Amino acid sequence: QVQLQESGPGLVKPSQTLSLTCTVSGGSFSSDKYYWSWIRQPPGKGLEWIGYIYYSGYTYYNASLKSRLTMSLDTSKNQFSLKLSSVTAADTAVYYCARASDPITIEDWGQGTLVTVSS
Amino acid sequence: QSALTQPASVSGSPGQSITISCTGTNSDVGGYNYVSWYQQHPGKAPKLMIYEVTNRPSGVSNRFSGSKSGNKASLTISGLQAEDEADYYCISYTSSSTPYVFGTGTRVSVL
Repeated sequence: QVQLQESGPGLVKPSQTLSLTCTVSGGSFSSDKYYWSWIRQPPGKGLEWIGYIYYSGYTYYNASLKSRLTMSLDTSKNQFSLKLSSVTAADTAVYYCARASDPITIEDWGQGTLVTVSS
Repeated sequence: QSALTQPASVSGSPGQSITISCTGTNSDVGGYNYVSWYQQHPGKAPKLMIYEVTNRPSGVSNRFSGSKSGNKASLTISGLQAEDEADYYCISYTSSSTPYVFGTGTRVSVL
């Protein structure tokens, strides 16, 4: 049974870079079957698809975030990461990492981590 | 790309059936058989309930079913139970610059 766990600062100052890592355990991280994804949810609001990174390193991002977003993966550590630059209060959200067999068929989710953007 | 439109809330009594709609356009819901549905309890991560419009993952109750007609996808919950009280979100592939868009979400209440 695969498990995903987000980690990173819970508080980020405006204009700085939000960095999160997702550690994957109990599954094949290098499989070509999966899309390693990020989804976020502002407090009290709906879900927003952020993007994914494929095992090959190919990425696909939400167009509204693309200019500020970088995803990467580290197969030696079974981790993938998200960096979102120039954050504002609008980026405050619970960030979920997830494993998907196709980009919208997301079978496995991390528990989510709240990131607050505030000075 | 705007979010897909869902009713803000739907309610029903135990044992009843309810249907949640997810309305889009020809560029998303209507153009592809590529819609998933997620259930989210408060403070929890979402859970996949339906994928590719009608398919149910193993372990998901057969009380949950999905369908699509034109630009509208639907999730039906039959034999409503207290544990079904949660938020539900659809998501579809879209031909826009952001390829995947969630619905606005629906709060299901069991009376």
